[in-house]
Amino acid sequence: AQTVTQSQPEMSVQEAETVTLSCTYDTSESDYYLFWYKQPPSRQMILVIRQEAYKQQNATENRFSVNFQKAAKSFSLKISDSQLGDAAMYFCAYSFPQGGSEKLVFGKGTKLTVNP
Amino acid sequence: DAGITQSPRHKVTETGTPVTLRCHQTENHRYMYWYRQDPGHGLRLIHYSYGVKDTDKGEVSDGYSVSRSKTEDFLLTLESATSSQTSVYFCAISEPYGRKKGTDTQYFGPGTRLTVL
Repeated sequence: AQTVTQSQPEMSVQEAETVTLSCTYDTSESDYYLFWYKQPPSRQMILVIRQEAYKQQNATENRFSVNFQKAAKSFSLKISDSQLGDAAMYFCAYSFPQGGSEKLVFGKGTKLTVNP
Repeated sequence: DAGITQSPRHKVTETGTPVTLRCHQTENHRYMYWYRQDPGHGLRLIHYSYGVKDTDKGEVSDGYSVSRSKTEDFLLTLESATSSQTSVYFCAISEPYGRKKGTDTQYFGPGTRLTVL
C-alpha cells in the first residue's frame, strides 16, 4: 500500500530564515506525482508545489523548492526567506493513477511556526 | 482560485439524523472527490466521481454515500450520522489523468465542519 510519512509533527523557524520539511513515501509505482499543500488557520487547502516523478529536475515556486530523491523515495520542501504568512500545516501528498482516476494519499502533516 | 464551493460550511446535528453535504464547481472538471480530515490522520478519501453518475469508494467509505447527477454537483450523504463522523469534510476537483501541465492536481474547496452530537 502507498504510504506517506512526515516525521516532523512540528517545526519552527525565525522570520527570514530557511526551513526544510521532510517527507518520505512508499510505492512500487514508477509513474506518480508528489505535492505539498499548505493549510493555514482558515482551513483552506492550498497547493504549494508539484513534482512529476519522471522529471529529474526539482520543482521550484518562488521561495518554495523541493529536493526530490526518487531512489530514496524522499520529497522534502524548502522554504526560503520565511514569512509570517508561511505559518500553517503543511501536508505532503502522493498521487498515482488508478482506473483512469488519480488517488491522493496524504501524510499526517507538519505544523510550521514562524517566529518574528 | 478554482471555483469550488461547499455548503453548508458548518453544521451541527444529532446522532441518527441524515445529513447531506454539497460540493459545487464552476470549472467543468470531470473528477470530484470527498475527503475527511481528522487530527492525526491527515486527509482520507471517502468517495470520488469520474463522471456524471460514475462514482467509486475510497479508503473510508463506510457510512457514506454519494451522488452526482450533474457535472458541477457532488453530494455526500450520511444516512444516519454517528459521532465518529464528526470531522471536517473537503471536496476536491481535478481534470483527467494525463501529462499536460496541471491536469493531475487536485484543488480543494473551503471545507465543511460537521459536528454530530
